[in-house]
Amino acid sequence: GQQLNQSPQSMFIQEGEDVSMNCTSSSIFNTWLWYKQDPGEGPVLLIALYKAGELTSNGRLTAQFGITRKDSFLNISASIPSDVGIYFCAGPPMFSGTYKYIFGTGTRLKVLA
Amino acid sequence: DAGVTQSPTHLIKTRGQQVTLRCSPKSGHDTVSWYQQALGQGPQFIFQYYEEEERQRGNFPDRFSGHQFPNYSSELNVNALLLGDSALYLCASSLMGRTGDEQFFGPGTRLTVL
Repeated sequence: GQQLNQSPQSMFIQEGEDVSMNCTSSSIFNTWLWYKQDPGEGPVLLIALYKAGELTSNGRLTAQFGITRKDSFLNISASIPSDVGIYFCAGPPMFSGTYKYIFGTGTRLKVLA
Repeated sequence: DAGVTQSPTHLIKTRGQQVTLRCSPKSGHDTVSWYQQALGQGPQFIFQYYEEEERQRGNFPDRFSGHQFPNYSSELNVNALLLGDSALYLCASSLMGRTGDEQFFGPGTRLTVL
């Protein structure tokens, strides 16, 4: 099935470091969502973005809606061990139908204490 | 505030059998979407229900069907199970309207087909 490309695929970082990841698509999106998923659980919504260029924060997390509307970025500042998990970007591509959400391939984050 | 709930948590079936998975949306939500998540991959959209009707469908065969009840809860049915149907099945709910893009997920049902 169709998926968004996320990079990096996985990363090990030291506790306290900042983390950056991105999500790119060949399609235009009107909405970008960022989720975190822990093993064996459902994804948890972190941030929702609705406008090109929009920058939104949720605690130590900051996400941006790319100007081209084909990409989005997520930054985590001062990482802590509980940040471990898989981060997914998601959204409905403009021409696929409003309700058909596409998910990214995921970025697996591991934090070394 | 009750979140999205799904049942059962785990299920083991054999090839050719049929399965029904259940989902209760977050309090106040009226829309339910179903996703299939294979191991190591992102969720894949199956379909979405609103006002008891299937509003949009992903690239899944007719063996996958669903239903939404007047209380907004939903069921996912899969007939003639294949080994490849083994996955985590996720239900997400949302509220039609301005924040309708914000989908909230349940913990999922882990289906194993032997």
